[in-house]
Amino acid sequence: GQNIDQPTEMTATEGAIVQINCTYQTSGFNGLFWYQQHAGEAPTFLSYNVLDGLEEKGRFSSFLSRSKGYSYLLLKELQMKDSASYLCAVMDSNYQLIWGAGTKLIIKP
Amino acid sequence: GAVVSQHPSWVICKSGTSVKIECRSLDFQATTMFWYRQFPKQSLMLMATSNEGSKATYEQGVEKDKFLINHASLTLSTLTVTSAHPEDSSFYICSARGMGGQETQYFGPGTRLLVL
Repeated sequence: GQNIDQPTEMTATEGAIVQINCTYQTSGFNGLFWYQQHAGEAPTFLSYNVLDGLEEKGRFSSFLSRSKGYSYLLLKELQMKDSASYLCAVMDSNYQLIWGAGTKLIIKP
Repeated sequence: GAVVSQHPSWVICKSGTSVKIECRSLDFQATTMFWYRQFPKQSLMLMATSNEGSKATYEQGVEKDKFLINHASLTLSTLTVTSAHPEDSSFYICSARGMGGQETQYFGPGTRLLVL
């Protein structure tokens, strides 16, 4: 079966760095996406990785290792507004997105 | 990024009525649109996938006669919740993907449905 695993909840301090991990087992791979979802809102696109390595976009970076079935989202200089759920999703061989359950990130002052 | 709109953003209706939700891709052509449902504090649940001009593909457990999906053009898909009941109250979110299978999915802002 297809499976995406990510931690349910994480807590971090304002100004710090946090890494949210995602491991996956899917039938085929056509890229991995990270989305941010604030409570009561729809998800917004953060990043897309299809090749191994690190993609940096401002305070957010996303890393992919296809051989290990592993990705992480790195958030630097955390701000209170970063409190949200972070969703990992993998596009399988049929170009369908397989979603993780999301990681709720709590930022404390 | 690309813009996807949804209308209405809020719906309150009586049990037994039908509700139509529109999803539009505003600045790109969406060959594929997806409809999700999300209950409070739960994960996104894919309901159905629709390709322009063809019938939607429903996920297991989703009643196709209750949740009617129409994707008549490359910029518009509609979801109609027929004979809505209180248990259908949820957050309905559409997303759209452009040409080419690896295009990113962009989400609409969602529609909150409350059935009394």
